[in-house]
Amino acid sequence: EAQVTQNPRYLITVTGKKLTVTCSQNMNHEYMSWYRQDPGLGLRQIYYSMNVEVTDKGDVPEGYKVSRKEKRNFPLILESPSPNQTSLYFCASSGGQVYGYTFGSGTRLTVV
Amino acid sequence: KQEVTQIPAALSVPEGENLVLNCSFTDSAIYNLQWFRQDPGKGLTSLLLIQSSQREQTSGRLNASLDKSSGRSTLYIAASQPGDSATYLCAATDTGRRALTFGSGTRLQVQP
Repeated sequence: EAQVTQNPRYLITVTGKKLTVTCSQNMNHEYMSWYRQDPGLGLRQIYYSMNVEVTDKGDVPEGYKVSRKEKRNFPLILESPSPNQTSLYFCASSGGQVYGYTFGSGTRLTVV
Repeated sequence: KQEVTQIPAALSVPEGENLVLNCSFTDSAIYNLQWFRQDPGKGLTSLLLIQSSQREQTSGRLNASLDKSSGRSTLYIAASQPGDSATYLCAATDTGRRALTFGSGTRLQVQP
């Protein structure tokens, strides 16, 4: 089944403790991106990647890092999480103009 | 910068009604436009994608149209069912970094 897999689904952590949210797609998509969803602010892009080793900032990149060492994986790294990063995070991949975006199931992160 | 607006913000209809959800965008230079469904606390499910060169797409009881010149898209749902209750999001993909700009969504409730 074609899908985008995120892990973990839920995560509670403390301020300052580094964490990684993994994202993997099995569709051989070149384009991948991360979004966060917040009440009243909607979905906003954090980072994106056009291909292996090619990444760039989205609209809200502060406090986040990404890497794209393999085509299928695009992890999101929070090196020193803060409470304002409490949010619902989505990874997405795109097969291009014809196929659009496929989203993962989301990771609900709480930073206390 | 692209802005996407969805009207209405919420809609409650009796089962069986046909309904139209509206989406408008400010920059007509889009890569494509995609409609998603989101159930509470869940991920985004792609419903329909319209490429920039297309005027409409259909899938079952759903029909989406695109008018780039006026910056509008509509999602038509025929013979609505209680299972259609969800938040519907439209998103325009830009031609540069392929970011999705989301509207704030229409929360639909179909009454049995």
